[in-house]
Amino acid sequence: QTVVTQEPSFSVSPGGTVTLTCGLSSGSVSTSYNPSWYQQTPGQAPRTLIYNTNTRSSGVPDRFSGSILGSQAALTITGAQADDESDYYCLLYMGSGIWVFGGGTKVTVL
Amino acid sequence: EVQLVESGGGLVQPGGSLRLSCAASGFTFSSYWMSWVRQAPGKGLEWVANIQQDGSDKHYVDSVKGRFTISRDNAKDSLYLQMNSLRAEDTAVYYCARFGNPPTKYDYWGQGTLVTVSP
Repeated sequence: QTVVTQEPSFSVSPGGTVTLTCGLSSGSVSTSYNPSWYQQTPGQAPRTLIYNTNTRSSGVPDRFSGSILGSQAALTITGAQADDESDYYCLLYMGSGIWVFGGGTKVTVL
Repeated sequence: EVQLVESGGGLVQPGGSLRLSCAASGFTFSSYWMSWVRQAPGKGLEWVANIQQDGSDKHYVDSVKGRFTISRDNAKDSLYLQMNSLRAEDTAVYYCARFGNPPTKYDYWGQGTLVTVSP
């Protein structure tokens, strides 16, 4: 069974840039996997940030951007702010109606 | 305003059953794929099941196939998850979520309901 991989954690300085990635244990991520990204703070429901690889959801600041980098989907935060400190999850479509979340990346801003 | 409100969570013994409900409002429920996503304590998100607008197409993660059933009642704007043969590893917060149109991402989430499977 294919596993969706994400970095367990990342640290970024306020105002800095960080790129989170979303890959596959076997194969490459492409736009056909419909990568989307979700932000979650403790005790809260997830919030949709990016869908269809690089489309920002309504109300999401433009410091969040999505792309394909090499063989992985990527979420870049440019000009990180304190309230960006959260868990970030990618979601990929595996075909045949099956979706899989990555394990999540905990981002610390300090 | 789109709202998704889950209910039905609680404590259940291993091998037991529970039925979760999700009441939807603020949108045309029958026009959207719907989904259940869960999150075990301290763990990441896990997609559980999807159901098509008219209920004719359903998909499940392998770990719940044959034990869980997703269903919907469009007349009542409600989504359900019937969970049977529950195991300790099913302990999680269960979120009801709406797939956008086209169904390539979640766009709205409920606040979740906690299911605890323990003796």
